[in-house]
Amino acid sequence: QKEVEQDPGPLSVPEGAIVSLNCTYSNSAFQYFMWYRQYSRKGPELLMYTYSSGNKEDGRFTAQVDKSSKYISLFIRDSQPSDSATYLCAMSAGGNQGGKLIFGQGTELSVKP
Amino acid sequence: GAVVSQHPSRVICKSGTSVKIECRSLDFQATTMFWYRQFPKQSLMLMATSNEGSKATYEQGVEKDKFLINHASLTLSTLTVTSAHPEDSSFYICSASGRGPGYGYTFGSGTRLTVV
Repeated sequence: QKEVEQDPGPLSVPEGAIVSLNCTYSNSAFQYFMWYRQYSRKGPELLMYTYSSGNKEDGRFTAQVDKSSKYISLFIRDSQPSDSATYLCAMSAGGNQGGKLIFGQGTELSVKP
Repeated sequence: GAVVSQHPSRVICKSGTSVKIECRSLDFQATTMFWYRQFPKQSLMLMATSNEGSKATYEQGVEKDKFLINHASLTLSTLTVTSAHPEDSSFYICSASGRGPGYGYTFGSGTRLTVV
């Protein structure tokens, strides 16, 4: 069993739809949870960062962490064609300044105009 | 915000030669740098972790004599792929983590290595 599981998709939605991306994990020591967006042949770009359980909102993006269920989500409201990319969840047990990041497989998202 | 510069963005080399990839933190001191490898449509696979001034820690299955990592300063880490072979062709990405809150992990833009 992988430490972090993420549905690879691909996921295709119409413009304006609400997108839900999810990851599950098995290591209860994870405390730091991140979502990255990666465009083709580029490095990942940090979208959201959450410590422990709870919700965090930033514009059209909302990240949720449920440590009791070992489940994290990223919601994208009013999705745009420019949101088309691969979304990677990542998590760490050792803090955001040096702990090793474990990535999910990434979900490929396509937003159709 | 924190910026990590990675060069070159793309390189083609012949089998048997060595290639060096640079990763620089431009506006912060990177106490820890990470090197990843990514195959098409797959996630990032951590190769090694390096702390400034000390030897890199390699993940299981990664040949340390083939993938030489140097982290000589707080702003620069290099990955050298020695005696490259076609199976080393991949997308290599560095990430840097700095001191103090808020920096987290910042990724470089990646290097596409093709060995012919």
